[in-house]
Amino acid sequence: QQQVKQSPQSLIVQKGGISIINCAYENTAFDYFPWYQQFPGKGPALLIAIRPDVSEKKEGRFTISFNKSAKQFSLHIMDSQPGDSATYFCAADSGGYQKVTFGTGTKLQVIP
Amino acid sequence: KAGVTQTPRYLIKTRGQQVTLSCSPISGHRSVSWYQQTPGQGLQFLFEYFSETQRNKGNFPGRFSGRQFSNSRSEMNVSTLELGDSALYLCASSYQGAGTEAFFGQGTRLTVV
Repeated sequence: QQQVKQSPQSLIVQKGGISIINCAYENTAFDYFPWYQQFPGKGPALLIAIRPDVSEKKEGRFTISFNKSAKQFSLHIMDSQPGDSATYFCAADSGGYQKVTFGTGTKLQVIP
Repeated sequence: KAGVTQTPRYLIKTRGQQVTLSCSPISGHRSVSWYQQTPGQGLQFLFEYFSETQRNKGNFPGRFSGRQFSNSRSEMNVSTLELGDSALYLCASSYQGAGTEAFFGQGTRLTVV
């Protein structure tokens, strides 16, 4: 199965708080898990990505946690800012060809 | 380094017509993938081209087709347009394809009336 399930659908966080978005997958052939950020009227932009051989990757305020046995991964946004308000997509990619399967997206709103 | 360029940005077409969208990838990138984005279905993979060859295809009808030229520029064609084809069409380029960083264009907003 190629599905990637993402939750929550929407999220409201206060400035300075932690935003957490979760994703789960079924296909164990997936070996690359990127997160994308999309602002209205723009295409998705790669935020951070992880491979299953590591359990955590951090870049600035953004951290991916990866649980291979549970087939789950999550994005943590520390010290959330109003400028982080966007739609976030998790994705999974299997080796071979670029057929990325996207989650359904999480609309994040960071309120001052 | 110039990003991924998609043209046109907006299109309005009538049911039954056909449309061609264009994507210019980042210089040096050989892989171009196309996606359809709608509020109801989210981001769905259409197809990927690498060095002028279609390497993978999503679950879309044959009305959706594409090609890639020797300079890696890609076009997507949709024939016999239906109202349900109204969507944001995105292309993404990457150096090698699977498992490598992909860069998206701003998309072409297609409205079918």
